[in-house]
Amino acid sequence: KQEVTQIPAALSVPEGENLVLNCSFTDSAIYNLQWFRQDPGKGLTSLLLIQSSQREQTSGRLNASLDKSSGRSTLYIAASQPGDSATYLCAVDRRDDKIIFGKGTRLHILP
Amino acid sequence: DAGITQSPRYKITETGRQVTLMCHQTWSHSYMFWYRQDLGHGLRLIYYSAAADITDKGEVPDGYVVSRSKTENFPLTLESATRSQTSVYFCASSGLAGVTGELFFGEGSRLTVL
Repeated sequence: KQEVTQIPAALSVPEGENLVLNCSFTDSAIYNLQWFRQDPGKGLTSLLLIQSSQREQTSGRLNASLDKSSGRSTLYIAASQPGDSATYLCAVDRRDDKIIFGKGTRLHILP
Repeated sequence: DAGITQSPRYKITETGRQVTLMCHQTWSHSYMFWYRQDLGHGLRLIYYSAAADITDKGEVPDGYVVSRSKTENFPLTLESATRSQTSVYFCASSGLAGVTGELFFGEGSRLTVL
């Protein structure tokens, strides 16, 4: 059974710092991995999608990496801003059409 | 407008009543999903559909029924609502030509069962 874990559950950092969010999964036979952002009371917004054959994807200040062999992905946020405060979730597509989510990391950027 | 829409956004009902949550997408995506989000459990997959007339169970399907007669619609029905089904429900869609890809979410339907 695929399990997706995100540690820490919550994180507070001062504005301007670079930070890394972690995602681990137990079964390396994945099709892709996605990172999402969720603001309070809102739906999820896709940030980055990494196919199983890729090692990383970048969008603006965000960089996501994927290491299938170790079952890990990281989301790097450069020069954090208060507007980055949200919950970040990773999700794994298991090739059986089921997309499984971690519980998320609640990020708070301190002004 | 293009996108994925859920209705109703908010619903209060009583134990034992039938409730249907609607989901409509305009991208002709093959895949559609229903998740529930609860504190402490995160997002859990209820049901998903790979195409019209094809549905399958997720992690927590008990007490729910889905159908997909048209590609663009994927309603979720609670046949006899229970308090444990109080949650925020999210519909999502993905993929063209039967291949999953980026997942797009609706705004959610907040259901309270009294």
